[in-house]
Amino acid sequence: QKEVEQDPGPLSVPEGAIVSLNCTYSNSAFQYFMWYRQYSRKGPELLMYTYSSGNKEDGRFTAQVDKSSKYISLFIRDSQPSDSATYLCAMRDGANSKLTFGKGITLSVRP
Amino acid sequence: DAGVTQSPTHLIKTRGQQVTLRCSPKSGHDTVSWYQQALGQGPQFIFQYYEEEERQRGNFPDRFSGHQFPNYSSELNVNALLLGDSALYLCASSLVWERTEAFFGQGTRLTVV
Repeated sequence: QKEVEQDPGPLSVPEGAIVSLNCTYSNSAFQYFMWYRQYSRKGPELLMYTYSSGNKEDGRFTAQVDKSSKYISLFIRDSQPSDSATYLCAMRDGANSKLTFGKGITLSVRP
Repeated sequence: DAGVTQSPTHLIKTRGQQVTLRCSPKSGHDTVSWYQQALGQGPQFIFQYYEEEERQRGNFPDRFSGHQFPNYSSELNVNALLLGDSALYLCASSLVWERTEAFFGQGTRLTVV
């Protein structure tokens, strides 16, 4: 079992839809949780960063962390064609520097 | 501020050759991490450099080595290239106390033939 599992894709939604992206993990030591957006032929761009459990909102994006269930989510409201990209979840524990990434899910928002 | 810059952007090498990839961190950052991203996969941590020393290493063979210079820039060297080394190599920079990688470069696409 991989440390971080991400829902398989690809995912295609109409413009304006609410998108839910999810990851599960097995390492209970993970404390820091991130979502990255990666456009084709570009490096990952940090979207959301959360420490421990709870919710965090930034504009149309909401990140949720449920440490008891080892489950994190990213919600995108009023999705736009410009949101079309690959979304990666990532996490790390308090002792190590490395980030452990999910496989990524490709989202396509249809105009 | 140019952010994290990597060179070259694309590279084609023959199996068995050696390659050096370069990274300049964002201005003010002192820590550089390298990741390998195979096609259709998430990035995998190779190693991290701080104060010119390898601070942590992922599960990669010794063929992968690195260096950090006094100006915080970094190199990733891969010896005896294998076809399976074909990937996007990403550099991320941060401050040593930060808990996330906020800034990635656009990567170097390495193709081994």
